[in-house]
Amino acid sequence: AQTVTQSQPEMSVQEAETVTLSCTYDTSENNYYLFWYKQPPSRQMILVIRQEAYKQQNATENRFSVNFQKAAKSFSLKISDSQLGDTAMYFCAFMKTWEGGSEKLVFGKGMKLTVNP
Amino acid sequence: NAGVTQTPKFQVLKTGQSMTLQCAQDMNHEYMSWYRQDPGMGLRLIHYSVGAGITDQGEVPNGYNVSRSTTEDFPLRLLSAAPSQTSVYFCASSYDSSTDTQYFGPGTRLTVL
Repeated sequence: AQTVTQSQPEMSVQEAETVTLSCTYDTSENNYYLFWYKQPPSRQMILVIRQEAYKQQNATENRFSVNFQKAAKSFSLKISDSQLGDTAMYFCAFMKTWEGGSEKLVFGKGMKLTVNP
Repeated sequence: NAGVTQTPKFQVLKTGQSMTLQCAQDMNHEYMSWYRQDPGMGLRLIHYSVGAGITDQGEVPNGYNVSRSTTEDFPLRLLSAAPSQTSVYFCASSYDSSTDTQYFGPGTRLTVL
């Protein structure tokens, strides 16, 4: 079974600084997807970024980028120029790919990020 | 379009009561799922559906039933509520397989006394 580990339960950063959130996962699969979701105090789950394992290039979405290290099974999220609105819980998630069917999203336990003014 | 909607937002039940959490999406998504979120546990999959008439169990299905009679709706039923089912429940949908981006509803906070 796949597992996702977020070892830092909580972090804080000053506004405008850069912060990196770590995530590791365990799988024997070769093809899969990785996600970072954000959950602000409103509780809504919002997709931040997605990475396909077969792609060597790290995904980037505006101020958010990932460092995907497939061999190390590591998938960290970098937030540049942190904003107060980035304060939220962040969840790393894994999903293996399977042609002809669907698979299940496995979440880490989450990490609370606080951006201070 | 409204995306994924969930009702109610909050609910308090007594042990043994039954209720249905509603989930609807207007994006013509085939894949829908239910998660529960507990402190320190992340999100755990309860049930999912890959299309109308097809459902399957997730990681924590006990105590919950689902059905998918239409593409739009995916209700979650608690047959006999227990305090262990106190949680926040999220419904999610995606266009096709679950590898597509999933869109989450706003959640339902359920308390079972």
